[in-house]
Amino acid sequence: DAGVTQSPTHLIKTRGQQVTLRCSPKSGHDTVSWYQQALGQGPQFIFQYYEEEERQRGNFPDRFSGHQFPNYSSELNVNALLLGDSALYLCASSSGFGGSTDTQYFGPGTRLTVL
Amino acid sequence: AQKVTQAQTEISVVEKEDVTLDCVYETRDTTYYLFWYKQPPSGELVFLIRRNSFDEQNEISGRYSWNFQKSTSSFNFTITASQVVDSAVYFCALSEAFTGGGNKLTFGTGTQLKVEL
Repeated sequence: DAGVTQSPTHLIKTRGQQVTLRCSPKSGHDTVSWYQQALGQGPQFIFQYYEEEERQRGNFPDRFSGHQFPNYSSELNVNALLLGDSALYLCASSSGFGGSTDTQYFGPGTRLTVL
Repeated sequence: AQKVTQAQTEISVVEKEDVTLDCVYETRDTTYYLFWYKQPPSGELVFLIRRNSFDEQNEISGRYSWNFQKSTSSFNFTITASQVVDSAVYFCALSEAFTGGGNKLTFGTGTQLKVEL
């Protein structure tokens, strides 16, 4: 049973560029959440996707956008990259039915470095 | 707004010692869930335990145990007989449900646990 997978593992970009990160959820899960984790900090919620729609969004600018595909996989796009966007980006999947009871299972993350 | 505080930034213990990680939370919800995750150097967050707000019975699972006290808004996590492989950053998280389904996690800043021989 495959867990949550993310690609790529590492990415280096320069300021102003755009980046796309990818995530495949755990088998049987239909909800994908994205988190940003800066060095030495806890993960911060970016947004959650369910049924190909953005269900909820955290306190992140519109430069951060996403998409969910019919097979439940998801992409995170970040435009006009800033140095401050350098972080570990974590994808989590869950069943999406239970509200606060849902356990989110995380992937290995994509480490983005912006130069 | 929800908030999770992990006051311990770093803890160092010698193998076989017991260690307790502290977590204090703030929420206005009457029903909520609390989680502990482990993040080894590889970066992946590993789910450890989940606890709901209406069951304060403390439990033990293998070398892990947790102490949930609603009166003090604390959800502490104990590792018994620590091992070197337990070395990681441990995060406490509070779940907030969305109207219509789904949830997000609010994390603390983590506690770095170092277990030495």
